[in-house]
Amino acid sequence: EPEVTQTPSHQVTQMGQEVILRCVPISNHLYFYWYRQILGQKVEFLVSFYNNEISEKSEIFDDQFSVERPDGSNFTLKIRSTKLEDSAMYFCASSENPTGSGQPQHFGDGTRLSIL
Amino acid sequence: GENVEQHPSTLSVQEGDSAVIKCTYSDSASNYFPWYKQELGKRPQLIIDIRSNVGEKKDQRIAVTLNKTAKHFSLHITETQPEDSAVYFCAGCGPNFGNEKLTFGTGTRLTIIP
Repeated sequence: EPEVTQTPSHQVTQMGQEVILRCVPISNHLYFYWYRQILGQKVEFLVSFYNNEISEKSEIFDDQFSVERPDGSNFTLKIRSTKLEDSAMYFCASSENPTGSGQPQHFGDGTRLSIL
Repeated sequence: GENVEQHPSTLSVQEGDSAVIKCTYSDSASNYFPWYKQELGKRPQLIIDIRSNVGEKKDQRIAVTLNKTAKHFSLHITETQPEDSAVYFCAGCGPNFGNEKLTFGTGTRLTIIP
């Protein structure tokens, strides 16, 4: 069964540094998402992406965050200047069609981001 | 925006008994409700989902029921097994294109007691 893949599995970074989290969505999927989960808490939406542009973003997704689909397979999340509170598990997800039409989102294994 | 509440936060069930987890949502326009199972340190894994034009859906030991009028939906696991132990999240999604986000509940830690 095809899967969403994410790299790295764990990223440790000094506060103030830039990080790029990488995702390869399922190949025929057209809708891409980033979520984050602070340890022990619920999964929170960050951003959705379709047709090479952001569809929606949450309040968490401020100017320090950006997303990009640099080629036909990768989908990246960049945090420009990391803060301690950015420490979390970041999940990428993808769906073939809009989730509102009943299409499930499939999640990757996540990247655990630790800010020191 | 959508708000999803989930109860209980923890649930312990004897092996073989049933477990029920309940969620309520605020946006009456929401039309898709998945349930995810998350084992420690792993990805949320879709276990069952339901669309708003259906009242109930079943897949072996797992079922989901939806009451649109009351804006709540529930996960039912029958004949529970130790491998059912995990955190379960409900979620909701609205119908509008450009609004594809899943809004998650706060999770239920289910423990199956052997």
